Amino acid sequence: DGGITQSPKYLFRKEGQNVTLSCEQNLNHDAMYWYRQDPGQGLRLIYYSQIVNDFQKGDIAEGYSVSREKKESFPLTVTSAHKNPTAFYLCASKGTSGQETQYFGPGTRLLVL
Amino acid sequence: DQQVKQNSPSLSVQEGRISILNCDYTNSMFDYFLWYKKYPAEGPTFLISISSIKDKNEDGRFTVFLNKSAKHLSLHIVPSQPGDSAVYFCAAKIYAGNNRKLIWGLGTSLAVNP
Repeated sequence: DGGITQSPKYLFRKEGQNVTLSCEQNLNHDAMYWYRQDPGQGLRLIYYSQIVNDFQKGDIAEGYSVSREKKESFPLTVTSAHKNPTAFYLCASKGTSGQETQYFGPGTRLLVL
Repeated sequence: DQQVKQNSPSLSVQEGRISILNCDYTNSMFDYFLWYKKYPAEGPTFLISISSIKDKNEDGRFTVFLNKSAKHLSLHIVPSQPGDSAVYFCAAKIYAGNNRKLIWGLGTSLAVNP
């Protein structure tokens, strides 16, 4: 089955710790995105990547980092510098130019201990 | 500054009746609009979209209407079913430099009552 997977479903972070959220897609999509959703809020763009080995900051990139070494994978690291990381994180991917629909993974909920 | 606004945080509708979800936008450079449905603790799923060159797009029970002069779009669900109960997000596409990004509304929570 083609799709986007995110792991883990729940993640706990201790103070001073970096944590990495996984996002994998087998849709052969070029573009991938990371969003954050807080209660009662819309989706806010953290980082996005249009192609392998390239990525751009979104609207709330501070305290996060990404890499795009493979087409299928776009991991997000929440660094220890981030003051308020507790949120629901969503990864999405999009196909070739001309297609605008983003397809989402099931999400990862990050909680700070 | 919210460029895509869903002014109704919630909506309650009786099963079988029509659900109308509204979305307003401020940026005339938006050229493509999408509606997504989201259940709690899940990723959004794509429902329907419309290009700015059209004023209506229909897919089964879902129809999206676009009024460019009013910068307004709406999603109609007919007939509404209990399984439609979810949060609905409106999103608009814009070019940011050489890249395209989606700008999202805050969502409307729809409850369809049996």
